[in-house]
Amino acid sequence: NAGVTQTPKFQVLKTGQSMTLQCAQDMNHEYMSWYRQDPGMGLRLIHYSVGAGITDQGEVPNGYNVSRSTTEDFPLRLLSAAPSQTSVYFCASSSRQGSNQPQHFGDGTRLSIL
Amino acid sequence: SQELEQSPQSLIVQEGKNLTINCTSSKTLYGLYWYKQKYGEGLIFLMMLQKGGEEKSHEKITAKLDEKKQQSSLHITASQPSHAGIYLCGADYTGNQFYFGTGTSLTVIP
Repeated sequence: NAGVTQTPKFQVLKTGQSMTLQCAQDMNHEYMSWYRQDPGMGLRLIHYSVGAGITDQGEVPNGYNVSRSTTEDFPLRLLSAAPSQTSVYFCASSSRQGSNQPQHFGDGTRLSIL
Repeated sequence: SQELEQSPQSLIVQEGKNLTINCTSSKTLYGLYWYKQKYGEGLIFLMMLQKGGEEKSHEKITAKLDEKKQQSSLHITASQPSHAGIYLCGADYTGNQFYFGTGTSLTVIP
């Protein structure tokens, strides 16, 4: 009963490095999303996807890329990491069957950019 | 997000006391979600409210939705140390973009 799995759990990068945060769900959910959580600012939506092959920008998309080649996976890419991207990143998924379906969250990736 | 304001930002209560957390929306609410986050962990879904006047309970946690006031409240009765964590409200205004409040940090002193 895995749900939403995020890897890695922790990561330290140097400014300018690139990396991919992985997210996978096994619930056959159409909708997937990435958030970042910063102190005093709650969770802010970075990118989201309503299905395989479809992605769109959220509230804070700059500096991040996503792709959705399969229903299960939704990786988040940082092409050139900046200290401002130090944050906790959460991936979430939900069903689009019916209306107002709650999102299921992964345990988060704690990312530090030096 | 600016769409959802939570109050208070933090709360420290003695075990056994009741408490209320509020979530106010700047836009019309069609549905509201409550999540709990234990420190250093992911978000756990608590409950969802869809209709004005709706009230739901789970164990000692009750949430209400007042659509006229564009507000929801989360009430915990007889708080326990296990209730400690960050409570977040969330809403989906567009059908695709989910917004969260800034969270309320709850500490329960044994």
